[in-house]
Amino acid sequence: GQQVMQIPQYQHVQEGEDFTTYCNSSTTLSNIQWYKQRPGGHPVFLIQLVKSGEVKKQKRLTFQFGEAKKNSSLHITATQTTDVGTYFCAGKDRGSTLGRLYFGRGTQLTVWP
Amino acid sequence: AAGVIQSPRHLIKEKRETATLKCYPIPRHDTVYWYQQGPGQDPQFLISFYEKMQSDKGSIPDRFSAQQFSDYHSELNMSSLELGDSALYFCASRREGLSDTQYFGPGTRLTVL
Repeated sequence: GQQVMQIPQYQHVQEGEDFTTYCNSSTTLSNIQWYKQRPGGHPVFLIQLVKSGEVKKQKRLTFQFGEAKKNSSLHITATQTTDVGTYFCAGKDRGSTLGRLYFGRGTQLTVWP
Repeated sequence: AAGVIQSPRHLIKEKRETATLKCYPIPRHDTVYWYQQGPGQDPQFLISFYEKMQSDKGSIPDRFSAQQFSDYHSELNMSSLELGDSALYFCASRREGLSDTQYFGPGTRLTVL
């Protein structure tokens, strides 16, 4: 069945350092979404990637979708304490018409001031 | 902009009791998803509805049932509650044909004592 693996599970960085989380799917994806969940909050949509090899930027955040549409990454440059939270990737299987998203386990980011 | 509304936000129940969680999707969204998130876990897909019909089923226990009503709101009914049902329950909505992005509500925190 569909599986989305995400690493690392935890990441602790000093403020100003960079951060990257990686997602790998066992099957080809139609698209991939990234969400951020603050402690005690709910997943908040960040971005959707659809095209093979797509790269999108949001200020200090850079999102990539692999050429084979089976992997993705989120890179944060010069982290800030406001970046704290858990970052989830969620993919839609290419063969699915039901819209179900398969979530990775998430990467919990801690930023020390 | 209007977001997904969930009620109640917090619920405390005893073992073997029943609970009903409600979800009001973003206006004009016709698809609703229910997720269960345990501590430190990723959201686990339970069930989804499109145009008032069940569209997909995940790891929803037989003790749980759900439906979507004519106004597109959805209710998750949980019976014979167990300690292990304590979790955050999220509802997410989207509009079929517009985007695969799911927008999450704030969640209902269910505690079973």
